[in-house]
Formats: sequence, structure tokens, C-alpha cells
Amino acid sequence: RKEVEQDPGPFNVPEGATVAFNCTYSNSASQSFFWYRQDCRKEPKLLMSVYSSGNEDGRFTAQLNRASQYISLLIRDSKLSDSATYLCVVKENTGFQKLVFGTGTRLLVSP
Amino acid sequence: EAQVTQNPRYLITVTGKKLTVTCSQNMNHEYMSWYRQDPGLGLRQIYYSMNVEVTDKGDVPEGYKVSRKEKRNFPLILESPSPNQTSLYFCASRLAGGLTDTQYFGPGTRLTVL
Repeated sequence: RKEVEQDPGPFNVPEGATVAFNCTYSNSASQSFFWYRQDCRKEPKLLMSVYSSGNEDGRFTAQLNRASQYISLLIRDSKLSDSATYLCVVKENTGFQKLVFGTGTRLLVSP
Repeated sequence: EAQVTQNPRYLITVTGKKLTVTCSQNMNHEYMSWYRQDPGLGLRQIYYSMNVEVTDKGDVPEGYKVSRKEKRNFPLILESPSPNQTSLYFCASRLAGGLTDTQYFGPGTRLTVL
């Protein structure tokens, strides 16, 4: 089983739609979780951290379910500029606190 | 401007010709890593460093070397490149510790080994 699993998509949605991605992780000792955004063949960039209580940043909402070991990202009112690959990232609870990346979920927002 | 730089950005080379990809960060970060990204496999860590002169293998270290003689620099060395090392490479850095620290990536190096 992969350490971090995501549906690769693509998710094709029209502008204005609401779309949700899920991600599951295997290491129950993991403590920190993130969503990164990667535009086509460019470097990943932090979109948001995921807190136990859930957190919201504008149109983006991230939630963590520790019992089921999954993380979600909800995007409301999708924009064309949201088209990208969204990477689920889990930080291991070890000395280096290695970041483990999912393979990403591709989102395509169309007019 | 806080950033991670990599050079070269694009490189086409031949099997067996040693090459070095440089990486530098100006944020005084302790932790640095090298990743390769391949379709369907995502980002895989090659090597990482927790500080000067402290390096360790990641998930896919075979065929690569690194060094960390200065805090800001973390070059990736391919002593004898092979076609299966054709990939997109990213260098990254972050502060040590903390639950919410951001990892910053360089712009990537697209390497083709013929």
C-alpha cells in the first residue's frame, strides 16, 4: 500500500463548480499534513496546511480525519486559474520529519 | 527575495558523462532535499541533508551523490548518468522542526540522458 494515496483524476469541472479531493495516508503516527499545488511541470508550492480542526482559506477548505486517516480539500467557486495538480503531503514523525508526497490529483476547470 | 535556485534548468547529456546540478537557497534553512518526479510515480526523495556535512539517503539514492559543505548549497552529482535517470529534478529546503513549516522548491531541472 502506498504511504499517501490520491485519485489521479483528472477532475473536469466547469467554472463556478465545487470540487473535492480526498487523500488517504497509511502512517497513523503522522502529525502534519499539507496540500501543495503544482502547475504543469513547475515546482510545487504550499497551498495550505491541514489542521485537526479543519481550516479555510478563501475558497479553499482543508479537513483532516485522523480516525479514518484521510485528508480532504474542497474548492468552491472554481476558477480557470485553479487548473493544476494538487499534491497531498504528509510529514512523518521521525528525526528528519520527511515529507511524503502523493502522486497528485489533476484538476481541469473549463469555461 | 527568498528562493531556491537550481542550475542548469535543462540538460541533455549522454550515458556515462558525469554531471552536477547545483542548488542554492538564501533562507538559512537547515534541511535540504533532492527529489525526482516521474509520471505516475510522483515526487520521490533521492537524498536529504539535515545540516552541513550531514546527508542521508532517501528513497531512490542509487546512481546519485550529494554533498553539503555549506549551508546554502546542496549539489546533486550523477557520476555516470544512465537513461533511467532521465527525469525532472527538484531541490527543496525548509527550516528544521516545526509542524507547519513550508518547504520551498527550486524551479526544477529537466534532465535527459541519451
